[in-house]
Amino acid sequence: DGGITQSPKYLFRKEGQNVTLSCEQNLNHDAMYWYRQDPGQGLRLIYYSQIVNDFQKGDIAEGYSVSREKKESFPLTVTSAQKNPTAFYLCASSTLGAGSNQPQHFGDGTRLSIL
Amino acid sequence: GIQVEQSPPDLILQEGANSTLRCNFSDSVNNLQWFHQNPWGQLINLFYIPSGTKQNGRLSATTVATERYSLLYISSSQTTDSGVYFCAPPRDGGSQGNLIFGKGTKLSVKP
Repeated sequence: DGGITQSPKYLFRKEGQNVTLSCEQNLNHDAMYWYRQDPGQGLRLIYYSQIVNDFQKGDIAEGYSVSREKKESFPLTVTSAQKNPTAFYLCASSTLGAGSNQPQHFGDGTRLSIL
Repeated sequence: GIQVEQSPPDLILQEGANSTLRCNFSDSVNNLQWFHQNPWGQLINLFYIPSGTKQNGRLSATTVATERYSLLYISSSQTTDSGVYFCAPPRDGGSQGNLIFGKGTKLSVKP
């Protein structure tokens, strides 16, 4: 089945540690996105990528890094510089329309907590 | 940038009741997306709606872009409709993929 796979579902980070969240899609979508969700809040954009080897910062990119070496994969690293990393992280993907955004589809998310 | 406001923030319904959720946005957009987040956190795209009305079973959505609002109708609600409903217009009006999410409407449907 086509879809978006995020792993792991739960992740614990120690102080000073970098952790990487995986996002893989087999929908042949060009664009991929990372969002952060805090309890009782909407989603905020961390990074997005519309093409391999290119990505842009979203609203809350500080303390995070990404790579897009393959069309199917868009991993997110939460660095030690992110002082409040506890949140629910969601990855999404979409096609790219000519002059118009397209429906976004989401993975099941990763819950990150600090030990 | 574009501002998004959803109402009501919380809604409690008895199973079988109908409801209307509202999304106001501050700038012109050429489409809007509605999502449902279930109690386990999974986010499902309900509608991608450039304008007008779309229907999918018991759910329908209407966007009136000229008046900067969208409505999500849920008829004959079921307990499985519980969760949080988000609207998300494109942050730049619609030329690129990035969305701005509202804070959501939390719906609880009681049996």
